[in-house]
Amino acid sequence: IVLTQFPGTLSLSPGERATLSCRASQSVSSSYLAWYQQKPGQAPRLLIYGASSRATGIPDRFSGSGSGTDFTLTISRLEPEDFAVYYCQQYGNSPYTFGQGTKLEIK
Amino acid sequence: EVQLVESGGGLIQPGGSLRLSCAASGFSVINNYMSWVRQAPGKGLEWVSITYSDGNTYYADSVKGRFTISRDNSKNTLYLQMNSLRAEDTAVYYCATLEWSGYYKVWGQGTLVTVSS
Repeated sequence: IVLTQFPGTLSLSPGERATLSCRASQSVSSSYLAWYQQKPGQAPRLLIYGASSRATGIPDRFSGSGSGTDFTLTISRLEPEDFAVYYCQQYGNSPYTFGQGTKLEIK
Repeated sequence: EVQLVESGGGLIQPGGSLRLSCAASGFSVINNYMSWVRQAPGKGLEWVSITYSDGNTYYADSVKGRFTISRDNSKNTLYLQMNSLRAEDTAVYYCATLEWSGYYKVWGQGTLVTVSS
């Protein structure tokens, strides 16, 4: 399954709402879709799994939604530490695949 | 606290071999699904290999026949033996725990492998 993330780059200001999209080339089984955040020089960090379940310790300003082929990560109110690259990953079909990433940058 | 620490990366010539290690603490690697994921410089994430608790192993087509994933219970460590290395294998290699359904829960800090003459 090929995952396409858009936009490639999103320029927003702290306090604004961010909406990141991930589209799959075919339906993702059981909404097995995860989101990760990666900051420069760091490993990815799990944010969301099962399309909408927040991982342990993830603030509630992060939310995931979607099913089938279209998924969304929403950050309700951007904090300075949220500016990073975000990846989606599907794990409903082998091989598990990642999207190419969306860079969230400060405007 | 669950923690993964990779080591073993470095500069290696094309055709050479390297073994990466991933030392785990706070849990047992033998009872968990474990995986290697890599990231080429400035690029996205790519799954490399998975080992399940039943011993089954799987590899991305790009590394099949060249890389081998294994575990050492006594050292609670995951390994990735990489042979016949190519320039396109240059990447940061992360080990990660894999939940039963297939998402990566805990990640190590990564180790850089550079394949160049």
